[in-house]
Amino acid sequence: TQLLEQSPQFLSIQEGENLTVYCNSSSVFSSLQWYRQEPGEGPVLLVTVVTGGEVKKLKRLTFQFGDARKDSSLHITAAQPGDTGLYLCAGGVRMRFGAGTRLTVKP
Amino acid sequence: EAQVTQNPRYLITVTGKKLTVTCSQNMNHEYMSWYRQDPGLGLRQIYYSMNVEVTDKGDVPEGYKVSRKEKRNFPLILESPSPNQTSLYFCASIRLVGTKAPEAFFGQGTRLTVV
Repeated sequence: TQLLEQSPQFLSIQEGENLTVYCNSSSVFSSLQWYRQEPGEGPVLLVTVVTGGEVKKLKRLTFQFGDARKDSSLHITAAQPGDTGLYLCAGGVRMRFGAGTRLTVKP
Repeated sequence: EAQVTQNPRYLITVTGKKLTVTCSQNMNHEYMSWYRQDPGLGLRQIYYSMNVEVTDKGDVPEGYKVSRKEKRNFPLILESPSPNQTSLYFCASIRLVGTKAPEAFFGQGTRLTVV
């Protein structure tokens, strides 16, 4: 059983569309991290959120930490093919990961 | 350049033949971790180390051993590999931001096949 549940598991969209992926848990976390992984590579850190209700922006990516610090979302505006990859959330001092959302953005 | 180096990148071996996957980091991080990645299951933690000579089991430690004799190195040892250990393995070096926000830096991965 995954401590962190990510949804959807797969997402395929056209270039220019907006999307949101989710990371949910029944546990409270002191922080959550989002990573992106491309084929054949290790995950790369995108952002860390630490405060309930916090919103962070990274260009076209917007990350939100839930008020209760049990969930987080990642919103991508005007997706591009370069956004294609596996998006993973992680939480806890021991760094447990969700199963990820595999995003494909078609030109 | 800050990096985590894993070797080998690819390995095919036979059941029962002991092997070691090496991991080295140059960032002076105290925390390091090993994960395996299987389709649909994300990254599952095998072992975790908080410092030299301090290690702890993760969620899937069976069949694996680790050692942490120096801060920079954290090798993963499979004493008697079995086919169900065929997987993609990642080593991570972990930086603590403040007191409660860990951030992981990953190696390139080791794709292991046990036949």
